[in-house]
This record gives sequence, C-alpha cells and structure tokens, in this order.
Amino acid sequence: GESVGLHLPTLSVQEGDNSIINCAYSNSASDYFIWYKQESGKGPQFIIDIRSNMDKRQGQRVTVLLNKTVKHLSLQIAATQPGDSAVYFCAEDGGTSYGKLTFGQGTILTVHP
Amino acid sequence: DSGVTQTPKHLITATGQRVTLRCSPRSGDLSVYWYQQSLDQGLQFLIQYYNGEERAKGNILERFSAQQFPDLHSELNLSSLELGDSALYFCASSVDYNEKLFFGSGTQLSVL
Repeated sequence: GESVGLHLPTLSVQEGDNSIINCAYSNSASDYFIWYKQESGKGPQFIIDIRSNMDKRQGQRVTVLLNKTVKHLSLQIAATQPGDSAVYFCAEDGGTSYGKLTFGQGTILTVHP
Repeated sequence: DSGVTQTPKHLITATGQRVTLRCSPRSGDLSVYWYQQSLDQGLQFLIQYYNGEERAKGNILERFSAQQFPDLHSELNLSSLELGDSALYFCASSVDYNEKLFFGSGTQLSVL
C-alpha cells in the first residue's frame, strides 16, 4: 500500500536484546520483499530480501520471516547493538516485473546501551 | 558506500524555478530508479529506467521528467517548483528487474 510517514511506530530495546520489527503488506501478488535500514542523513541500506517461495531467510544477525497467508513480514535482529538504531522499512514489489518497490511507513528502532 | 552517486547533496531554490538532479548508478547496473521521500508521504516511487528506456512510472508529477543517458547515468528534472516539492530525492540502481536496489545518499531539495 501507500507509505504514510506520520507517527512512525517505534521500538526501543536494550543493547544485546533481540529485536523484532513487523510489517503488514497489502498486495497478495507481491513476489519479492526487502528490508532496508535508513540512518539519519543517509539513503536506505539493503539488509535482507526474500522471495515469495520462501518462508524464512537468514543473514548475519538478521532473519526475515514471511507469512503469505496473513501478508506479514518480520525482521528479527539478534543481539541488537547501538549501531542498529535507525528507521527500518519493508518494501514489496507488488507483483510487478519492473522492480518498482512500494515501501512501508517505517519503524524507528532505538537501541539503548 | 552503496556505489550510487548523487549530486548535489543539497539544493536550495525558489518557487517557479527548475533544477536538475544527477545520479550515477553502480558499475554494471542497468536499472535506475528515482524515489521521493517526504515526512508526510514516506518513500514514493517516481520512475524507473532500464538501459536508457523508461520502464515504469509511479507518482511522478507532469512537472517532473527524467532520462537515462547512454553511459547509464540519469537525471531528474524538476520544473515550476512549488513549496511542496521540498523533499529528499533518492536515486537507486540495480543490475536488473526484481533485484535489490542500492540507494544513493540523496539530494535534499528545499524550495523557498
């Protein structure tokens, strides 16, 4: 769906905790999903992606889970560090073949030392 | 560093003016995308080019236009600027369709 930037959800965790950031997507035709991290003053940075033929994918300290039944995506960050503090966006391709991504509104993650 | 270069980083101009934003994609990437990020609309897809040709259009105003040149760099032209055009404009590139996008650091446009 369309991204709305007002009143972003926030998540505060302590350093060393695991973080889970959730995202609901709207287009059941979406085939490709990505998580991005955006730090202040910078462009979105790729974290991890997953295609619709998978339910789970792991990277370094991050795991993405995809539940197509309820159109839900989550990003799990293990042993969260202060450097993980940023805005996290999920994005979906809407089933298009052109690579156009629709971004979610974002979640602000704050990690306290 | 994503490898995507955007210039200028900041641009301050007046209403009614025209500006050009420039993007150099990562080496080897054929697709270039333009996104607009504002506080009230979030990240909005504007337009995509693939190897010099327009491939997809999003919420791009008629006052805005873009092109991708033979060397694969791209320019986004914004004309008859209005206060509401103030935003961060990002360029991203990818090798092909349905591949992860790599974003530049953006151009902050302020229309006064």
